[in-house]
Amino acid sequence: AQSVTQLDSQVPVFEEAPVELRCNYSSSVSVYLFWYVQYPNQGLQLLLKYLSGSTLVKGINGFEAEFNKSQTSFHLRKPSVHISDTAEYFCAVSGNTGFQKLVFGTGTRLLVSP
Amino acid sequence: EPEVTQTPSHQVTQMGQEVILRCVPISNHLYFYWYRQILGQKVEFLVSFYNNEISEKSEIFDDQFSVERPDGSNFTLKIRSTKLEDSAMYFCASTERLGGNQPQHFGDGTRLSIL
Repeated sequence: AQSVTQLDSQVPVFEEAPVELRCNYSSSVSVYLFWYVQYPNQGLQLLLKYLSGSTLVKGINGFEAEFNKSQTSFHLRKPSVHISDTAEYFCAVSGNTGFQKLVFGTGTRLLVSP
Repeated sequence: EPEVTQTPSHQVTQMGQEVILRCVPISNHLYFYWYRQILGQKVEFLVSFYNNEISEKSEIFDDQFSVERPDGSNFTLKIRSTKLEDSAMYFCASTERLGGNQPQHFGDGTRLSIL
C-alpha cells in the first residue's frame, strides 16, 4: 500500500518569489509520482510526473519537481510564482504494476499575493 | 485537447434518493476511475473499471454504489440511497492504457449535495 504526506496545508507567498511545496511518500514497491493542480471550481490537471530516469522533472507552467528516493520525497518547486498560480496542489502516487489507482495527499493551497 | 466531461456540475438531492453521475471519458481511453473529495479532505479512490467489469474498489464503494458503461461513450456512477455523508465532489478519470505510469485525465467533477 502507498501513502502520501503533504505537511503544508497552506503556503502563502508573494508574487515573483520562489516556492517549494513538499511531498513525502511511503510505499513497499516502486512507484510513479505525480503532481496535480486544481484551480477553483475545476478538475485536476496534471502538472508533471516522475516515471523513471532523470530525477528532476519539468512540467507545465514553469514547475519542476525532484524525486529523491533515499528521502522518499517529490517536492514541487517554481523559481518565480504568479498570481495565477494560486490553486490547490496535490501530490499523488501509484504503484508500478497493473491497474493502479492514484493515492493522493491532502493537498497544499498555494496563495500568491501581490 | 480531448477532455473528460462530467454532468451535472452540481446535483442537489434529498437523502435517500438515488443519483446518477455521468462521465464521458476521452474517446480512445479504455480504463476508467471514480474518485471523490469530501470538502476539505483528500481525493479518495472509489473504483476502477475496464471491459465492463470492476477492476478494484475501495472500502468506500459499498453496496449502495454501482458503476456502468451503458453505451460506448458514457460511464456512470450510481448511488442507490444517498446519505448525508455522500456529499462530496466526485471526479471521473480515464487512461488510454493500463499501468500506474499512465497519467489519469480528470473531469471537472460533479458537486453532490445531499440534504
